[in-house]
Amino acid sequence: ELKVEQNPLFLSMQEGKNYTIYCNYSTTSDRLYWYRQDPGKSLESLFVLLSNGAVKQEGRLMASLDTKARLSTLHITAAVHDLSATYFCAVASNFGNEKLTFGTGTRLTIIP
Amino acid sequence: ETGVTQSPTHLIKTRGQQVTLRCSSQSGHNTVSWYQQALGQGPQFIFQYYREEENGRGNFPPRFSGLQFPNYSSELNVNALELDDSALYLCASSDPSRDEQYFGPGTRLTVT
Repeated sequence: ELKVEQNPLFLSMQEGKNYTIYCNYSTTSDRLYWYRQDPGKSLESLFVLLSNGAVKQEGRLMASLDTKARLSTLHITAAVHDLSATYFCAVASNFGNEKLTFGTGTRLTIIP
Repeated sequence: ETGVTQSPTHLIKTRGQQVTLRCSSQSGHNTVSWYQQALGQGPQFIFQYYREEENGRGNFPPRFSGLQFPNYSSELNVNALELDDSALYLCASSDPSRDEQYFGPGTRLTVT
């Protein structure tokens, strides 16, 4: 059974600082997703990572995937308050359907 | 805006009752998945439908059932509601030409 772990679970950081969220998963997969969720809202797609070594960047966020290590990272550069949210990674099943297994989420709070 | 809509937005039901939640996907998205997100947790996969047939199911009891219709709409039915069924229910539709799942705004179900 595929398991996805994120750390840290909670992250409080000052504006302007850099930090990384880690996502580890237990079995082979070739698709990994990052989502953002604001309180009481649905999931907003941030990145889709489809191959080993994939790196994608959007604004202050950059995501990477290492399929051999079964590890993805979400790096935040020079954090701003608007990035405060919960971030989830999700790994797709390789077995004929598109089931996503989500991590526990990282609740990020940016302090002015 | 993902083009995926869900109704109703909020719903309050009593333990033991039955509920039907609805999702409307984008035209051409022939795969729809349903997820349950309890407060403070990541979404959990309930089941997936592809071309009106169930195509994978998570660890949910049979009282959770679904339907998908030719017009890209779908339903999630839950019988004999329990207090633990209180959650945000999300549907996601998949574009067959892209490795992307688009989430709807969700239905917040409260069971009292």
